[in-house]
Amino acid sequence: KQEVTQIPAALSVPEGENLVLNCSFTDSAIYNLQWFRQDPGKGLTSLLLIQSSQREQTSGRLNASLDKSSGRSTLYIAASQPGDSATYLCAVKGTLEYGNKLVFGAGTILRVKS
Amino acid sequence: EAQVTQNPRYLITVTGKKLTVTCSQNMNHEYMSWYRQDPGLGLRQIYYSMNVEVTDKGDVPEGYKVSRKEKRNFPLILESPSPNQTSLYFCASSFRGNQYFGPGTRLLVL
Repeated sequence: KQEVTQIPAALSVPEGENLVLNCSFTDSAIYNLQWFRQDPGKGLTSLLLIQSSQREQTSGRLNASLDKSSGRSTLYIAASQPGDSATYLCAVKGTLEYGNKLVFGAGTILRVKS
Repeated sequence: EAQVTQNPRYLITVTGKKLTVTCSQNMNHEYMSWYRQDPGLGLRQIYYSMNVEVTDKGDVPEGYKVSRKEKRNFPLILESPSPNQTSLYFCASSFRGNQYFGPGTRLLVL
């Protein structure tokens, strides 16, 4: 059974700092990995999607990498801003033989102080 | 605008009173799913559907039913809600692995 772990559980940084969020998964038979952002009491916003054949994806100040063999992904946020404060969720989608199930990590709560 | 909509957004009900949470997407996606989110437990999949009339259980299906009669709609049915089903519920649709989530339905069962 796929398990997804996110470290750290919470992170507080001053504005302008570069930071890394970590996601690890136990089964490398994945279809893709997706990073989401969730604001308090709100829905999930997709940030980056990495297919199993890809190594990284970039969008603006965000860069996500994927190392399938070691079961790891990192989300790098450059020059953090107070508006980046949110919970960041990593989700791994299994292959068709696993019903394409999406398994989420518990999230990293990020606070960027101004 | 491409979106997933859910209704209602907030619901307070009593134990045993049947309810339905609707979910609709306008992107013609084949894959749809329901999740619940609880503090400390994260998001867990309840049911999913790979196409019309094709549904399957996720990780926590007990106490829930779904149907998929049309591609755009995927309602979640609680036949006899209990307090342990108090949660935040999300519907999602997917295309080529990219997930699109609805805004969530916050349910309180008294």
